[in-house]
Amino acid sequence: DAGVTQSPTHLIKTRGQQVTLRCSPKSGHDTVSWYQQALGQGPQFIFQYYEEEERQRGNFPDRFSGHQFPNYSSELNVNALLLGDSALYLCASSLGAGDADTQYFGPGTRLTVL
Amino acid sequence: AQTVTQSQPEMSVQEAETVTLSCTYDTSENNYYLFWYKQPPSRQMILVIRQEAYKQQNATENRFSVNFQKAAKSFSLKISDSQLGDTAMYFCAFMKWQGGSEKLVFGKGMKLTVNP
Repeated sequence: DAGVTQSPTHLIKTRGQQVTLRCSPKSGHDTVSWYQQALGQGPQFIFQYYEEEERQRGNFPDRFSGHQFPNYSSELNVNALLLGDSALYLCASSLGAGDADTQYFGPGTRLTVL
Repeated sequence: AQTVTQSQPEMSVQEAETVTLSCTYDTSENNYYLFWYKQPPSRQMILVIRQEAYKQQNATENRFSVNFQKAAKSFSLKISDSQLGDTAMYFCAFMKWQGGSEKLVFGKGMKLTVNP
């Protein structure tokens, strides 16, 4: 049973560029949440996708956008990159309905903005 | 808004010893979940244990157990018989329950080192 997968593992971009990160949820899960983890900090919630719609959003600017596909995989897009966007980006999957379910995390994508 | 506080930034313990990691949280919600995740140097966030707020019984998972004090809003993790593989960052996290998956609110984490 495949767990949550993310690609790429590492990414280096320059300021002003755009980036797309990808996530495939754990088998049977329909909800994907994205988190940003700055160095030495706990993860911060960016947004959550369920049934191809953004269901919740954290305190992140509109430069951060996402998408969920019919197979439940998801993308995180960041436009006009800033140095402060350098972080580990974590994707987590879960079941979106019924009892609150545990979120299972992928290995993350390390983004470096130069 | 919910907040999670981990006041101990770092701890060190000898192999086979028992260690307790502390966590406090603030919320006005009555229904919620609490989690401990570990993040080893490989950086993958791994679930350690989960506690439902409506349950009075403390959760246990093998060598890991929690002390959940709802009135005090305290949620500590006890690791028994510490192993070298327990070396990691440990994060306490809160999730309110509204029927379905909600966002996790994390503490800043605590670095645990298990020494041989």
